[in-house]
Amino acid sequence: DTAVSQTPKYLVTQMGNDKSIKCEQNLGHDTMYWYKQDSKKFLKIMFSYNNKELIINETVPNRFSPKSPDKAHLNLHINSLELGDSAVYFCASSLTGQNNSPLHFGNGTRLTVT
Amino acid sequence: TQLLEQSPQFLSIQEGENLTVYCNSSSVFSSLQWYRQEPGEGPVLLVTVVTGGEVKKLKRLTFQFGDARKDSSLHITAAQPGDTGLYLCAGRHNQAGTALIFGKGTTLSVSS
Repeated sequence: DTAVSQTPKYLVTQMGNDKSIKCEQNLGHDTMYWYKQDSKKFLKIMFSYNNKELIINETVPNRFSPKSPDKAHLNLHINSLELGDSAVYFCASSLTGQNNSPLHFGNGTRLTVT
Repeated sequence: TQLLEQSPQFLSIQEGENLTVYCNSSSVFSSLQWYRQEPGEGPVLLVTVVTGGEVKKLKRLTFQFGDARKDSSLHITAAQPGDTGLYLCAGRHNQAGTALIFGKGTTLSVSS
């Protein structure tokens, strides 16, 4: 009965590879997000989707391409991985229409690029 | 990008001590939230403050939103080892389509 689940939890890959992270939420939320948490624990917004429509794209390299097949899923595909992409990536969801709606986070995907 | 400055970045205290974490910005937020994150997990919401000057209590945790809605504080009374974790403040501006912006976090370690 996990609310926001993302897979895989760990991802170790070499530079230049392409990888995907999947996220699903069963909370009935209509907005989903990808955040990147760096080694200093700073959480930075990458993308936000509302009802499958991209509403926030925070100057993320084109190598990162989010895809939302429906409002319960938001996947992240990364092309040509670089060392600097190593981080923990968090998926989150919330309900719009509630100005103070909290974000519900998944448990993160730790990506290590070697 | 509007920033949220959190201090201190690290805090290591003994069980039973009190502590305060600060979250400051030069801009006004429509609301401010505090999250706690444990290792290997995502952040979990503790509280949301909306009104300037608002004070909310959650057991031994007291949250305050500044009168001008630019800053907030988290005070923990008689800290316990179970309070150990990363505390994050996050604010949202009063503009449609804006994302939640996070501070850089305070790593709290409480030893017994």
